[in-house]
Amino acid sequence: SSELTQDPAVSVALGQTVRITCQGDSLRSYYASWYQQKPGQAPVLVIYVKNNRPSGIPDRFSGSSSGNTASLTITGAQAEDEADYYCCSRDSSAKYWLFGGGTKLTVL
Amino acid sequence: EVQLVESGGGLVQPGGSLRLSCVASGFTFNTYWMTWVRQAPGKGLEWVANIRRDGNEIYYVDSVKGRFTISRDNAHNSLYLQMNSLRAEDTAVYYCARFEFGFGYHYMDVWGRGTTVTVSS
Repeated sequence: SSELTQDPAVSVALGQTVRITCQGDSLRSYYASWYQQKPGQAPVLVIYVKNNRPSGIPDRFSGSSSGNTASLTITGAQAEDEADYYCCSRDSSAKYWLFGGGTKLTVL
Repeated sequence: EVQLVESGGGLVQPGGSLRLSCVASGFTFNTYWMTWVRQAPGKGLEWVANIRRDGNEIYYVDSVKGRFTISRDNAHNSLYLQMNSLRAEDTAVYYCARFEFGFGYHYMDVWGRGTTVTVSS
């Protein structure tokens, strides 16, 4: 299918670990990239090519992939991590790129 | 500093046209693919179009095919999105982003702040 599915909302206690998942058939063939977006701001790349972090992204962010599921893990979530997170992948047809619906992360 | 700055958004009537621009600085523009991504009010991100370094390979989301045209002017470090036959559902913030693309992977590592397009009568 040409969709990427994310849980709409996830919450985590301050300092705890949270995993945000993204499911889709295309993830069997293509790596996901992950983006963080805070209200009123442009998205920011946080993970690419499975588990690479751009300069400036804290190492508490990590990525993994298995079968049709890609995951973004935040180990020791901080208040500033509260944001929407989107996965993105190429469609299985190789003609399109897709974003997941986004996951709103709340840090309690 | 690596930077992308969009412009050209505004209020337009249904059926109208608008041309968005994105000026790049701080990197060698003609060595990167570029992309447009949009976000409708209160909604998620939607990929719109990609263009290869030389402009000779282009992809569009189905909903804009035949109405939108992505292009670039490498001499002026600029990316464009010509939007025709605009519909209410095209209302969104439009972001340009630098696009890295290879076998089995892609990512958008530099984003502009976006420009707002509102289609309404």
